[in-house]
Amino acid sequence: GAGVSQSPRYKVAKRGQDVALRCDPISGHVSLFWYQQALGQGPEFLTYFQNEAQLDKSGLPSDRFFAERPEGSVSTLKIQRTQKEDSAVYLCATRTMADTQYFGPGTRLTVL
Amino acid sequence: ILNVEQSPQSLHVQEGDSTNFTCSFPSSNFYALHWYRWETAKSPEALFVMTLNGDEKKKGRISATLNTKEGYSYLYIKGSQPEDSATYLCASSPLSGGSYIPTFGRGTSLIVHP
Repeated sequence: GAGVSQSPRYKVAKRGQDVALRCDPISGHVSLFWYQQALGQGPEFLTYFQNEAQLDKSGLPSDRFFAERPEGSVSTLKIQRTQKEDSAVYLCATRTMADTQYFGPGTRLTVL
Repeated sequence: ILNVEQSPQSLHVQEGDSTNFTCSFPSSNFYALHWYRWETAKSPEALFVMTLNGDEKKKGRISATLNTKEGYSYLYIKGSQPEDSATYLCASSPLSGGSYIPTFGRGTSLIVHP
């Protein structure tokens, strides 16, 4: 594809519901990042993959957050038992070795 | 400076005005400084990546400078147009760890009035 795509673009969940957010990277991009952007804040790092290996997950806020990239391409960010404070825009970005990150449009999650 | 800080938080200018924003970042262990433009309902778009002290980059009416010793970067927009309205994010990547995970500022929201 031409760029990074994310789905769904918008998600409304009831508190306690599980959600799964998908990221389709640019073909051939080895590195993939997930960020969380709360209202009025900058994107906050969640986790980082190089191919299928999750090299850093230090930014995941709790054990309710889980990310995977089983074949080194598509990645899924899963949030279990969503809480109101999980409401945010979730951004996916991929990167070549040249360091420029290419972002998807984000998924706006609203937890009621 | 422990975090990446951007100022001002928001800015309203008239079409044709020139403007600039500031990004401050930790000067120690520095690898790269990134500027992004994020228009509403679109993906953040990379504008510049700079690594060397004194770097200056230009893309049309937008330019950026980098001072790694004191830990700041300026983004300039000459002759602002309504289509420049967006949030401008900067991010600093550290040298350690090998993954160069960037830390983002909160952004500067620019609105250009026709």
